[in-house]
Amino acid sequence: EAGVAQSPRYKIIEKRQSVAFWCNPISGHATLYWYQQILGQGPKLLIQFQNNGVVDDSQLPKDRFSAERLKGVDSTLKIQPAKLEDSAVYLCASSLDGTYNEQFFGPGTRLTVL
Amino acid sequence: GQQVMQIPQYQHVQEGEDFTTYCNSSTTLSNIQWYKQRPGGHPVFLIQLVKSGEVKKQKRLTFQFGEAKKNSSLHITATQTTDVGTYFCAGNFGNEKLTFGTGTRLTIIP
Repeated sequence: EAGVAQSPRYKIIEKRQSVAFWCNPISGHATLYWYQQILGQGPKLLIQFQNNGVVDDSQLPKDRFSAERLKGVDSTLKIQPAKLEDSAVYLCASSLDGTYNEQFFGPGTRLTVL
Repeated sequence: GQQVMQIPQYQHVQEGEDFTTYCNSSTTLSNIQWYKQRPGGHPVFLIQLVKSGEVKKQKRLTFQFGEAKKNSSLHITATQTTDVGTYFCAGNFGNEKLTFGTGTRLTIIP
């Protein structure tokens, strides 16, 4: 069974530029999560989708971050414009159906904002 | 806000010694999950606890969920070098999202 795929694996941009990350969850998984993990901290949930609807985006900085999950499968997370404090690893995860199921994480995208 | 605190933040143990990390919440949790993240890697699911007072074992790992469902612990017996990594608990406050703890980073001295 294929795992959660993410791309790119690494990205370096300058502040005020825009960037987009892509995630392909495990086939059949209804719930998709985007986390931000700053070095030395635990993952922080940015947005959670159930199929193609948003369950929670309370910690998503909506003035600069956006995410979508078209057709309830793949998802993209965008930052525009980026700030220095956005430097982090962005993790995508999926679970079969909600938070009572284990989450499978992708390898993450390491973003560096200069 | 709803937070999950973990202690200690760091733990260095000699290989073969035991290791314990504790997870605490100020409010009742619906369920709690534990994840392990190797250096440079991504979190990997270890286990889920749902019932009050639940105890689960996986080989050398023992997981407990407190009677009040506000705290949890992970105990590793006779640590090995393969146990190196950061251990996170993640709690569900009944709002259908997991809040990750601050993590305990375990290093093993051979």
